[in-house]
Order: sequence, then structure tokens, then C-alpha cells
Amino acid sequence: DVKVTQSSRYLVKRTGEKVFLECVQDMDHENMFWYRQDPGLGLRLIYFSYDVKMKEKGDIPEGYSVSREKKERFSLILESASTNQTSMYLCASSSYQGKETQYFGPGTRLLVL
Amino acid sequence: EDQVTQSPEALRLQEGESSSLNCSYTVSGLRGLFWYRQDPGKGPEFLFTLYSAGEEKEKERLKATLTKKESFLHITAPKPEDSATYLCAVHSGGSNYKLTFGKGTLLTVNP
Repeated sequence: DVKVTQSSRYLVKRTGEKVFLECVQDMDHENMFWYRQDPGLGLRLIYFSYDVKMKEKGDIPEGYSVSREKKERFSLILESASTNQTSMYLCASSSYQGKETQYFGPGTRLLVL
Repeated sequence: EDQVTQSPEALRLQEGESSSLNCSYTVSGLRGLFWYRQDPGKGPEFLFTLYSAGEEKEKERLKATLTKKESFLHITAPKPEDSATYLCAVHSGGSNYKLTFGKGTLLTVNP
């Protein structure tokens, strides 16, 4: 069965803190993605990775960075959290063989105070 | 630039009252159209992928269809547990691995 897990369901952080969100998939997928989801704005792509150590900016990369050292793990880093980064963060993965169907994790709801 | 528009934004049905959700798209070469279901506070759950006009897929009370300009998600005799936000997304020839998502339709089914 398809499985994408995220390290936390809920996080509360202070402004200026460095925040790490981790995502792990067990499907041997090549591609991994980080989105944020906000009411009225829908899903917005932050970064994606199509191979280990490879990454590309999505539509809203400002204030974020990513790391993919192993195929199954994709991390999203907020270098200095700000209140406007309060959001639901969703990780997804897909494969070429699966014709790009993306499978999502449960999400991390981040609150920055 | 790929665009996906879903309508209506919200739909309220009585249990057993069939209806359809719409997903209109503008893409440069459709390679796949995806439907997801999302429950509050959770990640989207994959439902269907459609690849070419005329294709149809079914799962329980849900049936997805595809034309060259839009897709419909038909819900037959819905139950309260079908209440969720339904998301549509497209993958086009110009977008590599990326999907473009619509903003979703919030479906509420009252008992």
C-alpha cells in the first residue's frame, strides 16, 4: 500500500526559529514535492525534487529551502520562521511509472507565533 | 500557463440526491487529469486519473469523466460520509513533474 509519512501532525514555533519538516515515502518514488495549503488559495507548490540531491523551485520558494540526501526522504526547511508561514504543509511523491499520480502525506499544521 | 477552475465552490446535497462537480482546464497538451478527496485537516486522497477524452472511471458512488475541456465527478446517491473537499489537478506536457490544482469543491451531504 502507498505510504507517505510526515514527521509531525502539529507544530508550534516562534518567529525566527529554524523549522524542519520531514517527509518519508516507502514507494521508491523518484519525485517528491512540498506544498502549502491555505484557505482560498488552494495548494501551492513550494519545491520539488526529481532525484536525490536534485531540486527545483516551485511557485512560492521564498523563505524555504529543501534537502534530499536519500531517495525516500525529503525535508523542508524554514530558515527563520515568520507568522506568514503559518499554514498546512503537505508532502507528496510520484513516479514516472505511475504517470505522475501524486500520493500525499497526512499534512503538518504549522503555527508560527 | 496551465489553469484549472472548479465549480461550484461549495455544494450542499441531501442524502441520495445525485449531482456533479465540474473541473474546467486549459493546458498545453494534457497528459493526465487527477481527482482527489480531502477530509478536513488531512492530506488529499487519490481517487482517479484520466488520460484521454472519453475516458471514464468509477469507484463506488463516484464516476469521473473527461472531455477535451473539462472533467466531471458524478456522485450518485451520496451519503453523509461522501462529505469532503474534492480537488482536481492536471499534468500537462509543459510542466515536467508538476501538477496544477484547482481550489476544490466543498461537498456537504446532509442526512
